[in-house]
Amino acid sequence: NAGVTQTPKFRVLKTGQSMTLLCAQDMNHEYMYWYRQDPGMGLRLIHYSVGEGTTAKGEVPDGYNVSRLKKQNFLLGLESAAPSQTSVYFCASSYTSIPTTQYFGPGTRLLVL
Amino acid sequence: GENVEQHPSTLSVQEGDSAVIKCTYSDSASNYFPWYKQELGKRPQLIIDIRSNVGEKKDQRIAVTLNKTAKHFSLHITETQPEDSAVYFCAAYNNNDMRFGAGTRLTVKP
Repeated sequence: NAGVTQTPKFRVLKTGQSMTLLCAQDMNHEYMYWYRQDPGMGLRLIHYSVGEGTTAKGEVPDGYNVSRLKKQNFLLGLESAAPSQTSVYFCASSYTSIPTTQYFGPGTRLLVL
Repeated sequence: GENVEQHPSTLSVQEGDSAVIKCTYSDSASNYFPWYKQELGKRPQLIIDIRSNVGEKKDQRIAVTLNKTAKHFSLHITETQPEDSAVYFCAAYNNNDMRFGAGTRLTVKP
């Protein structure tokens, strides 16, 4: 099992450009999450999904959109990137709702110039 | 919403000593408190967790205590080793909302 994978690993964008981050899991997990991690601030939840076809807002959803068309994939979109979105993005999944172990992906480092 | 504060932000100990990291939370409805270890450039990994109906949990050299009345919980690492050096994050969870502390950078000196 690959667990949770993220694509790409690193990306540089110019302000105003768009991109999509892909998270994939092969553990048949129902729940998936997108977090961002900024220096000195821990992780903050952007959006999450409780199952295929569902999405919900987390703590910091503005400027992001998500889709969960397939159970194993959770996409995070930036329609018009801003320098404030420079961060490391982590995807996670869990079998059921917390409290249960969340498995994290390796992260995507995004730099917006 | 929930607010989680974590102290200290940095901690340096000698190999073999104990390390304690403390977190406080604001939402009394929070019911799950995990601790994550993150090595430089790596993903966070769950090391221990505790639910609100338990006061203490131990796993080998790692233990977590929870005081619901005071709304604080702590991570205790005994007999620290250089490989324990990392950033540790606490978190508090309620109703699909997981809030993390800002992290503690632990350095274990050989």
